[in-house]
Amino acid sequence: GAVVSQHPSWVICKSGTSVKIECRSLDFQATTMFWYRQFPKQSLMLMATSNEGSKATYEQGVEKDKFLINHASLTLSTLTVTSAHPEDSSFYICSCLTGIGGYTFGSGTRLTVV
Amino acid sequence: DAKTTQPPSMDCAEGRAANLPCNHSTISGNEYVYWYRQIHSQGPQYIIHGLKNNETNEMASLIITEDRKSSTLILPHATLRDTAVYYCIVRVAGGNAGNMLTFGGGTRLMVKP
Repeated sequence: GAVVSQHPSWVICKSGTSVKIECRSLDFQATTMFWYRQFPKQSLMLMATSNEGSKATYEQGVEKDKFLINHASLTLSTLTVTSAHPEDSSFYICSCLTGIGGYTFGSGTRLTVV
Repeated sequence: DAKTTQPPSMDCAEGRAANLPCNHSTISGNEYVYWYRQIHSQGPQYIIHGLKNNETNEMASLIITEDRKSSTLILPHATLRDTAVYYCIVRVAGGNAGNMLTFGGGTRLMVKP
């Protein structure tokens, strides 16, 4: 089945620094990838939709200059949290739309900003 | 996409069947019912989906009412590892860009020994 690898699984960074999270589709090409954020005891909230070779589409209230998304190839999308602050601490999850119309999720990245 | 309503939490005894309900009274004719689950600190995992017929796979069974306004996910013999948040999502199938999954609150299933 379709496998999505997300890296790192957890990261701790200092306030003001930037963090990059990678999402790779290992055995299929993912034209479309989605980035979600999940705060403790809450559901997943869509942040943005990423299409290979074009600019990402951000959900209302998500700052595109703060959460930089790059989808430069059919197997890799990256989310960079720029100038991270403690309120950005969250669980970030990517999802890929597989060729057969299904969705496969990465294992998530736990970001802690101190 | 149609809205879904699920109970926030349920308990189930280990070895028993877990029946998780979902209401989707505004579902459209071309919308499927998808079920995903999320074990703590992991990404969501696909379980099953269906349109109008009941479906079964190695993980679970999906029972959809004839009017399609509700469905039930059945885990036939729940184990402790089935403790997770279960999400019922209704959406059109297909791989069009922009067709993201929208998650509601889900049901937190606790399987107890």
